[in-house]
Amino acid sequence: GQNIDQPTEMTATEGAIVQINCTYQTSGFNGLFWYQQHAGEAPTFLSYNVLDGLEEKGRFSSFLSRSKGYSYLLLKELQMKDSASYLCAAMDSNYQLIWGAGTKLIIKP
Amino acid sequence: EAQVTQNPRYLITVTGKKLTVTCSQNMNHEYMSWYRQDPGLGLRQIYYSMNVEVTDKGDVPEGYKVSRKEKRNFPLILESPSPNQTSLYFCATKPITDGHNSPLHFGNGTRLTVT
Repeated sequence: GQNIDQPTEMTATEGAIVQINCTYQTSGFNGLFWYQQHAGEAPTFLSYNVLDGLEEKGRFSSFLSRSKGYSYLLLKELQMKDSASYLCAAMDSNYQLIWGAGTKLIIKP
Repeated sequence: EAQVTQNPRYLITVTGKKLTVTCSQNMNHEYMSWYRQDPGLGLRQIYYSMNVEVTDKGDVPEGYKVSRKEKRNFPLILESPSPNQTSLYFCATKPITDGHNSPLHFGNGTRLTVT
């Protein structure tokens, strides 16, 4: 079957770095997305990876290893506004998205 | 401004009373979809549409209907709502003319409570 795993909750300190991991098993693979979702709000797009390697976008970076079925989202210089859920979604061979349950990130001062 | 508009934002209803949640987009996107989000389960797709008059079931279509008569609108219909359909619902759209790797644009969500 198809499956996405990511931690349920993580805690980090303001100003620090945090890495949120995501492992996936899909029938075929057409890329992996990361979204941010603040409580009660809509998800917003952060990144898309389809090739192995690291993509950097300001304070946020996303990494993909296709051979390991693994991705991570790296958040640097954490700010209180980064407190949110982070959703990992892999696209299968039919271009359907398989969603993880999300990682709730709590930032402490 | 490019946007996906869902209405209503909040809805409390009773079992069996038919309701419609509307979704409209002004970005000329071909692809539209409906998701429900429940604690601990993540986003689950209900129905999706690749273009006008084309709809397909997602992972959890039971108890829901959709239609795509116009490109901009994709209403979600609950003919006979039940308490297990209490959830947060999102409409999401994306263009697919240049491929499927465009990100989804989400509406602001509809929080539905069925008593």
